[in-house]
Amino acid sequence: QVQLVQSRVDTKNPGASVKVSCRASGYTFTNYGITWVRQAPGQGLEWMGWISAQTGHTNYAQKVRGRITITTDTSTSTAYMELRSLRSDDTATYYCARGYRSSSYYWGQGTLVIVSS
Amino acid sequence: IVMTQSPATLSVSPGERVILSCRASQSVSVNLAWYQQKPGQAPRLLIYEVSTRATGVPDRFSGSGSGTEFTLTISALQPEDFAVYFCQQYDKWLTFGGGSRVDI
Repeated sequence: QVQLVQSRVDTKNPGASVKVSCRASGYTFTNYGITWVRQAPGQGLEWMGWISAQTGHTNYAQKVRGRITITTDTSTSTAYMELRSLRSDDTATYYCARGYRSSSYYWGQGTLVIVSS
Repeated sequence: IVMTQSPATLSVSPGERVILSCRASQSVSVNLAWYQQKPGQAPRLLIYEVSTRATGVPDRFSGSGSGTEFTLTISALQPEDFAVYFCQQYDKWLTFGGGSRVDI
């Protein structure tokens, strides 16, 4: 069965970087892309970017462009989302989801990133 | 593309029919999906391409619309349907509506 398993809770100081992982199983990793979405506490869903696992092509949301890098490691079927220069308003649950320029049926369990001094 | 959902909150009783609306700031063609989210859980895909139910979604959920105006209808609300519902366009990049909370 398809599964996306994300890294655990992470706490960072303002200005630091965080790298969230998303390990996929149950399907051919390079046949699909990975989308990253975040959700601040009590708020809605915000698209951050996506990557084609086949080509490595990425697109990022304007709000985080310049601070975000999404990559994949096809040898381990893992996608990564790195966010730099963290601010308190980056505190959120970060989700990966299978999909590229599409809706997403399969989602990871979410990774809570807390930015606090 | 800005997605606007209404109402923000809806208080209903089990068995009632619920209609949620989603408006796009420009046409999204058929690239419109609906998700359900419960507290502490990842979103669950209900509908994609405006009206196609995702695998395992009960047929009391239906989607309709075109261009910029879309609706999600729950024909007879069940206790497990109390949740927040988000629309999503994936025609140009990806954006979500602000959500509609369905409360008892």
